[in-house]
Amino acid sequence: SQTIHQWPATLVQPVGSPLSLECTVEGTSNPNLYWYRQAAGRGLQLLFYSVGIGQISSEVPQNLSASRPQDRQFILSSKKLLLSDSGFYLCAWSVRLAISYNEQFFGPGTRLTVL
Amino acid sequence: RKEVEQDPGPFNVPEGATVAFNCTYSNSASQSFFWYRQDCRKEPKLLMSVYSSGNEDGRFTAQLNRASQYISLLIRDSKLSDSATYLCVVTGPGIYNQGGKLIFGQGTELSVKP
Repeated sequence: SQTIHQWPATLVQPVGSPLSLECTVEGTSNPNLYWYRQAAGRGLQLLFYSVGIGQISSEVPQNLSASRPQDRQFILSSKKLLLSDSGFYLCAWSVRLAISYNEQFFGPGTRLTVL
Repeated sequence: RKEVEQDPGPFNVPEGATVAFNCTYSNSASQSFFWYRQDCRKEPKLLMSVYSSGNEDGRFTAQLNRASQYISLLIRDSKLSDSATYLCVVTGPGIYNQGGKLIFGQGTELSVKP
C-alpha cells in the first residue's frame, strides 16, 4: 500500500529564516505530487504541483519554491520566511495520467508558525 | 464567483439526524468530483468519489447534477464521529496536461451532538 510522509510535523521559525519541508511517498512510482497551504480558517490553496522529476509548476507567485530531486521526493523551500507564510502545509500525491479521476491522498502535514 | 462554493455552515445536529451538504462549481468542463473529510488540525481524507449516476457508501450518499453544476452529500443517522469539516472538490480545467489539479471548496463544518 502507498504511504506519504511529511516532516517535521510542527515548526516555529523567525521571520527571515529559511525553510525546508520534505515529503516522500512510498509504494508507488511516477506519482503526481502537490504542495498545498491551508491558512487558519481558510481553504486549501494549491502552491505547486509536479508530474515528474525536475518538473515543477507554480500556482501562485510567492517567496516559496519547490523541487523534486527524486521520483518520490518533493521539497518545499523558502530563503526568507514572511509572517504570511504561517499555515498548515500539506503534501499530496495522485496516480499519474489517471483516466477517469484524480483522487489525491494527503500526508499528515506540517504546521508552520512564523514569528 | 468562486470556483467551488459550499454551504457556509457550521451545521449543529443531534445524533441520528440526516444532514445534507450542498456544493456548486463554476467550470462546466470539470470531470471528476469528490467529497473529502477533514478532522480538526488533520489532513483531508477522501470520503468518496461522486459519479454521475449517484453513489452510496453505507450512511453516505453522493449525487451529481452536471446540468446544474451541483453536488450533494447526504449523511443519514449521523454519529458523533461524523463531526468534521466536509470539503467539496472538483477537478480543475485541463486536467490531463496540468497534473490533475483539484479545486477545493472552503468546507462545511459539521458538529454532531449527543
